[in-house]
Amino acid sequence: EVVLTQSPATLSLSPGDRATLSCRASQSVSSYLAWYQQKPGQAPRLLIYDASNRATGIPARFSGSGSGTDFTLTISSLEPEDFAVYYCQQRGNWPYTFGQGTKLEIK
Amino acid sequence: QVQLVESGGGLVKPGGSLRLSCAASGFSFSDYYMSWIRQTPGKGLEWISYISTTISFTNYADSVKGRFTISRDNAKNSLYLQMSSLRAEDTAVYYCATDGGYGGNPGGGPFGFWGRGTLVTVSS
Repeated sequence: EVVLTQSPATLSLSPGDRATLSCRASQSVSSYLAWYQQKPGQAPRLLIYDASNRATGIPARFSGSGSGTDFTLTISSLEPEDFAVYYCQQRGNWPYTFGQGTKLEIK
Repeated sequence: QVQLVESGGGLVKPGGSLRLSCAASGFSFSDYYMSWIRQTPGKGLEWISYISTTISFTNYADSVKGRFTISRDNAKNSLYLQMSSLRAEDTAVYYCATDGGYGGNPGGGPFGFWGRGTLVTVSS
């Protein structure tokens, strides 16, 4: 099973800051990695698929990069609504797995 | 707009059974693979099963294989999860989600649209 390790576990930043979230896979998942945002009491929302493609309606401040085992989600300038938990997920190897999440909190 | 609404969750005793449903609207349900994903505070998000568009192919995580059965009724725009031999560790919020539709082969994601989830609690 591919283990996805997200870091940091918690990231404390202010609105307007740049956020960089990391996801490392225990083996290559090619570019088959997605990022999701989850707010309390809500379902996850797809942000990025196949490492670097924004899903429909996702603002341009969200970008993804990486391939193989190392991936990054960048939020260029944080808006108040961006403070949430972020998960990565891979579909490169069965079973399809999620990372444990990074909580992005207001500093 | 796309809407997925899960139902059927509740409290069930260990060893018991439960059937979850997911009603879909606002998109062409029959064109999408569909998945069930669950979430617990301890284990986080876990993909558990997907089904192809025409019911010809299903796939399960080892943790539920042989106990859970995914199915769909395209005429009713509905997805189902029959759960049996339930264990305490199956306690979770269960989400249905569209699977794929972003190019490439579907199955295992990406999960574009999610329902709000239904809580299943397995306890005596």
